[in-house]
Amino acid sequence: QQQVKQSPQSLIVQKGGISIINCAYENTAFDYFPWYQQFPGKGPALLIAIRPDVSEKKEGRFTISFNKSAKQFSLHIMDSQPGDSATYFCACPGGGNKLTFGTGTQLKVEL
Amino acid sequence: NAGVMQNPRHLVRRRGQEARLRCSPMKGHSHVYWYRQLPEEGLKFMVYLQKENIIDESGMPKERFSAEFPKEGPSILRIQQVVRGDSAAYFCASSSTAGDTTDTQYFGPGTRLTVL
Repeated sequence: QQQVKQSPQSLIVQKGGISIINCAYENTAFDYFPWYQQFPGKGPALLIAIRPDVSEKKEGRFTISFNKSAKQFSLHIMDSQPGDSATYFCACPGGGNKLTFGTGTQLKVEL
Repeated sequence: NAGVMQNPRHLVRRRGQEARLRCSPMKGHSHVYWYRQLPEEGLKFMVYLQKENIIDESGMPKERFSAEFPKEGPSILRIQQVVRGDSAAYFCASSSTAGDTTDTQYFGPGTRLTVL
């Protein structure tokens, strides 16, 4: 069973700052690593995803950095805004088509 | 293009009753996944279905839980004789017909089950 370790559990960032969330995974031969964003009372929504043939992917203020040799990937949120306050989950393929999720990071962006 | 739909959004059951959760995938999607989220925890995979077939049920409890995705109509997650530990948010996701591991899974808003 694929395990995914996500840190930190919670994060407080000042508006305009950089939010960084990290995930580490175990052995995998799969090629898809998504990040999901979840607001209270809502379902998770895909934020950004990366394939391990690249080391970085950027979409707007969101960047995934991927280190295949270390089996780690991280989410960077540049110029963090109060509207980014949410819970963020990393995920890995868990065998077959299922996803294995990290335990989540509660991000709060303060004014 | 409507997203993944789930109903009911909130469900209250007493211990011993049955809970039925429904999921309609996105249009054109024939792969459905169910996940459970306990308070302050991440999502845990339960079951993966295609039309009329259970593909992977490795995350389903052995007893009281069942799932189906009939040829017509929504996918159903059924919990018999509910217990307080079943209280959680249950999310359905769907993906396109490719069924590839890289296919994006789109999640519904969830059903929040409370067992009294």
